[in-house]
Amino acid sequence: DAGVIQSPRHEVTEMGQEVTLRCKPISGHDYLFWYRQTMMRGLELLIYFNNNVPIDDSGMPEDRFSAKMPNASFSTLKIQPSEPRDSAVYFCASSLGLETDTQYFGPGTRLTVL
Amino acid sequence: AQSVTQLGSHVSVSEGALVLLRCNYSSSVPPYLFWYVQYPNQGLQLLLKYTSAATLVKGINGFEAEFKKSETSFHLTKPSAHMSDAAEYFCAVSGDQGGKLIFGQGTELSVKP
Repeated sequence: DAGVIQSPRHEVTEMGQEVTLRCKPISGHDYLFWYRQTMMRGLELLIYFNNNVPIDDSGMPEDRFSAKMPNASFSTLKIQPSEPRDSAVYFCASSLGLETDTQYFGPGTRLTVL
Repeated sequence: AQSVTQLGSHVSVSEGALVLLRCNYSSSVPPYLFWYVQYPNQGLQLLLKYTSAATLVKGINGFEAEFKKSETSFHLTKPSAHMSDAAEYFCAVSGDQGGKLIFGQGTELSVKP
């Protein structure tokens, strides 16, 4: 398997623009997670899905952030409008289950909002 | 709520020396504990995990960790550091809060030649 695939790897945009990050999980994994990593706040869970259904979005910072999973092989994280404080590395991860199952991380998308 | 504290944001060792990265957890339920490693410009990958079986857990690349309930600790060790071990290491806990992984702040390991 190719592992978790994320695109783009790097994104530079201007404040106020819409940003869409994409993720393809490992085939057969029922769980998909979106994380954000910054120097100040470390690694934060934003939202996770089970069988394409959002289960916990309590980590989504505000209404500017939205995530969807239209099918088992694709998910998006959208920021609209983007702000400089959204600059971070965004990771997608997938796993077979929760609690004891290994989460497999993608390479991340480095977002810079000018 | 569960939490993880990693003592020391940066650890530096010489090549061939013992590696010890400290992790303490807080949990009101039996925890599941993980160590992940992140190499520069990459995602995290699992080193090892404790899921209530043997308390001494062996992982990849010669790393191991011991679950000590009395000390609420899950320290990561490796007898002899290699240059390729230079990376950031994250301790994480789950078992509560809907099964989500809660990560520590990370410890950056540097290995000097």
